[in-house]
Amino acid sequence: KAGVTQTPRYLIKTRGQQVTLSCSPISGHRSVSWYQQTPGQGLQFLFEYFSETQRNKGNFPGRFSGRQFSNSRSEMNVSTLELGDSALYLCASSLVGSGIYEQYFGPGTRLTVT
Amino acid sequence: AQTVTQSQPEMSVQEAETVTLSCTYDTSESDYYLFWYKQPPSRQMILVIRQEAYKQQNATENRFSVNFQKAAKSFSLKISDSQLGDAAMYFCAYRSAVPNDMRFGAGTRLTVKP
Repeated sequence: KAGVTQTPRYLIKTRGQQVTLSCSPISGHRSVSWYQQTPGQGLQFLFEYFSETQRNKGNFPGRFSGRQFSNSRSEMNVSTLELGDSALYLCASSLVGSGIYEQYFGPGTRLTVT
Repeated sequence: AQTVTQSQPEMSVQEAETVTLSCTYDTSESDYYLFWYKQPPSRQMILVIRQEAYKQQNATENRFSVNFQKAAKSFSLKISDSQLGDAAMYFCAYRSAVPNDMRFGAGTRLTVKP
């Protein structure tokens, strides 16, 4: 099976712009979670989608949003970018419902805001 | 809220030796899952091992094993016969049995000396 894929892998944006990141989960996985990883804050949970519905949300401002499509692919959007949004954004998918809750991570999108 | 603590920011081990990484967590739940993830430098995060809280037997995956002490809320990772390829950031993670976000520790950077 193909793993979790994320596009683009690298992105440079200017403060004030918006950005959309994409994630394709492992085939059959219906849960997709997003994380922000920074050296200072570590791994922080953004949100989780399951069957096109946001099931959990972390403590991030409303500038961070996401959605999930019927094929389980997910996108996250960050509007009005700030310098502090520079981070590695990780997407993870899991096969929820089978009693197994481990997540499988994609390679991440490295976002740099200048 | 569940919290995960990794008290060792950095650890070092000689090749072929054994090293133990510590993790403690705080929860009021009785059913949950614990994981160790490995993130090599500039590479994808991968699952090393998982432990279901309802299982008393400690999980083992080849050279990786855990010491799960439920009462003490401790979940340490032992790496035997350390190899150069084991050098990475190791994250301990917790997830409730009721699907919820994954909580990660701050990570332990493991260096393997030849």
